[in-house]
Amino acid sequence: AQTVTQSQPEMSVQEAETVTLSCTYDTSESDYYLFWYKQPPSRQMILVIRQEAYKQQNATENRFSVNFQKAAKSFSLKISDSQLGDAAMYFCAYRRPWETSGSRLTFGEGTQLTVNP
Amino acid sequence: NAGVMQNPRHLVRRRGQEARLRCSPMKGHSHVYWYRQLPEEGLKFMVYLQKENIIDESGMPKERFSAEFPKEGPSILRIQQVVRGDSAAYFCASSPTGNSNQPQHFGDGTRLSIL
Repeated sequence: AQTVTQSQPEMSVQEAETVTLSCTYDTSESDYYLFWYKQPPSRQMILVIRQEAYKQQNATENRFSVNFQKAAKSFSLKISDSQLGDAAMYFCAYRRPWETSGSRLTFGEGTQLTVNP
Repeated sequence: NAGVMQNPRHLVRRRGQEARLRCSPMKGHSHVYWYRQLPEEGLKFMVYLQKENIIDESGMPKERFSAEFPKEGPSILRIQQVVRGDSAAYFCASSPTGNSNQPQHFGDGTRLSIL
């Protein structure tokens, strides 16, 4: 079974600084998808960024970027120029190809990010 | 374009009662997923449905829990004879197809509290 591990239960960053959240996963598949979701205090689940395993180029969405290391099974999220609104719980998630299992998401336990003014 | 709608937002039940949670997917989406989030934990997959079909229910407890997604109307997650351990946030997500390259869009969740 696939597992997703986020080894940092809590992280903090100063406003305008950069922070990196770690995520590792375990899989025997060669093709899969990785996601970062943000859950603010309102409890919504908001998609931040996604990465296809077959793409070597790291995904980027404005201030959010990933460092995808396929051989190391690592998928970290970098937030640049941190803003107060970035404070939230961040979940890393893995998804197998539809053909092998359907398309459930497997989530890590989350990293609580605090942004200090 | 309305997002995934879940209701109620909050639901309080006494032990032994039934809880019914509803999820209306985004327009044009025919695939629905239910996840449960226990306090201080990540989301755990429960069940995946397509219209009138359960595709994968491997994450759902064998007893007391059931799910449906009828041809017309919302998807329903039903918990019979609720116990304190059922207290959690239940999230529904939808996608237009089951293809893994399409992200799942989440609703705001239903927070279930058992007295």
